Amino acid sequence: AQSVTQPDIHITVSEGASLELRCNYSYGATPYLFWYVQSPGQGLQLLLKYFSGDTLVQGIKGFEAEFKRSQSSFNLRKPSVHWSDAAEYFCAVGGGYGGATNKLIFGTGTLLAVQP
Amino acid sequence: DGGITQSPKYLFRKEGQNVTLSCEQNLNHDAMYWYRQDPGQGLRLIYYSQIVNDFQKGDIAEGYSVSREKKESFPLTVTSAQKNPTAFYLCASSIDSGGGPKNIQYFGAGTRLSVL
Repeated sequence: AQSVTQPDIHITVSEGASLELRCNYSYGATPYLFWYVQSPGQGLQLLLKYFSGDTLVQGIKGFEAEFKRSQSSFNLRKPSVHWSDAAEYFCAVGGGYGGATNKLIFGTGTLLAVQP
Repeated sequence: DGGITQSPKYLFRKEGQNVTLSCEQNLNHDAMYWYRQDPGQGLRLIYYSQIVNDFQKGDIAEGYSVSREKKESFPLTVTSAQKNPTAFYLCASSIDSGGGPKNIQYFGAGTRLSVL
């Protein structure tokens, strides 16, 4: 079955510290992978995406993610967290070219808190 | 500015009442989606539409209905058959429904529905 797992429900980091949010997926076809961020009471904003090519992708706000096919993972990283990064982060997987579906499958999210 | 507009931001439903959530986009996107978000459950797909006058059920369509009479509009009706409607509802759109980069989904700011 197709699924996305974000094993960390809640993470707290200190401002200036590095961050890694985990995402594992199960998908039968070539996956397209996304990270979205959601501030309280707001919609989702796309941080970055992976379709093909270089497995290390850069996104907005200084975030990056690395696709590791052998581990079925797409972890999100940031070298130095800012207080404004406090939000909920969602990993999602969708079908690649030739996929039978255009639907995205979302993980349950990781809530990030930033300590001063 | 191009984007997705959801209204109202907050909505209250009485027992036995149908309510309609509005979603309008001016991005000229063919595909539109409705998601329901509950705490700790991520986003679940209710309905999606690949083109005008066409729509398909998602994973949790029971108790909901949609229409797609215009390209820019995709309203969601929460019917009285939906026994647990309290949630945050998100509308999204993408260029089209094919696999690949054209399926990057962009989100509105959401509507929070509560039951009186």
